[in-house]
Amino acid sequence: NAGVTQTPKFQVLKTGQSMTLQCAQDMNHNSMYWYRQDPGMGLRLIYYSASEGTTDKGEVPNGYNVSRLNKREFSLRLESAAPSQTSVYFCASSPGERYSPLHFGNGTRLTVT
Amino acid sequence: QKEVEQNSGPLSVPEGAIASLNCTYSDRGSQSFFWYRQYSGKSPELIMFIYSNGDKEDGRFTAQLNKASQYVSLLIRDSQPSDSATYLCAVNLNDYKLSFGAGTTVTVRA
Repeated sequence: NAGVTQTPKFQVLKTGQSMTLQCAQDMNHNSMYWYRQDPGMGLRLIYYSASEGTTDKGEVPNGYNVSRLNKREFSLRLESAAPSQTSVYFCASSPGERYSPLHFGNGTRLTVT
Repeated sequence: QKEVEQNSGPLSVPEGAIASLNCTYSDRGSQSFFWYRQYSGKSPELIMFIYSNGDKEDGRFTAQLNKASQYVSLLIRDSQPSDSATYLCAVNLNDYKLSFGAGTTVTVRA
């Protein structure tokens, strides 16, 4: 049982380049999330999808777009990368029932030079 | 004011001692509370959740919730070197969104 799978694990971009982070879960969860984690700042919510067909902004959505492709997949796109987007990105999923915990992927370490 | 606040630490405890971690939150309407453990370079993993006032025990871990004081804590009894990690407190702000504290780093000295 793979759980939540993120690709790639590592990525280096130059300022202005674009890329898409991929996330897939095999737990039949309804809700999916993208967080970024920076030293001393904890996990901050970028976007989330409460259910297939819906997406909503989180705490730090600027510079990002998302697509809930189907129930399994939720991608995060950086259209024009900036050094401030250097971070570790985590995808997570949850059953979507009230107050349910999150299950995290292994993360993507992104560096923007 | 941040929604979820934790002491960043580091918290250093000797092996076999009790480690006590604290977390406060700002939204009085919060209903569910989670503790995650994160080893360096790894993803967060859930260790405890609590919904009701009082204590909840799971093995060597005890979560304590006081909604009136907007305070949730985690006790780790008989601390082991393998407990050395960063512990993240998370609070449900609504049905779907979890807000995380910055984490407390715990080091267990052998």
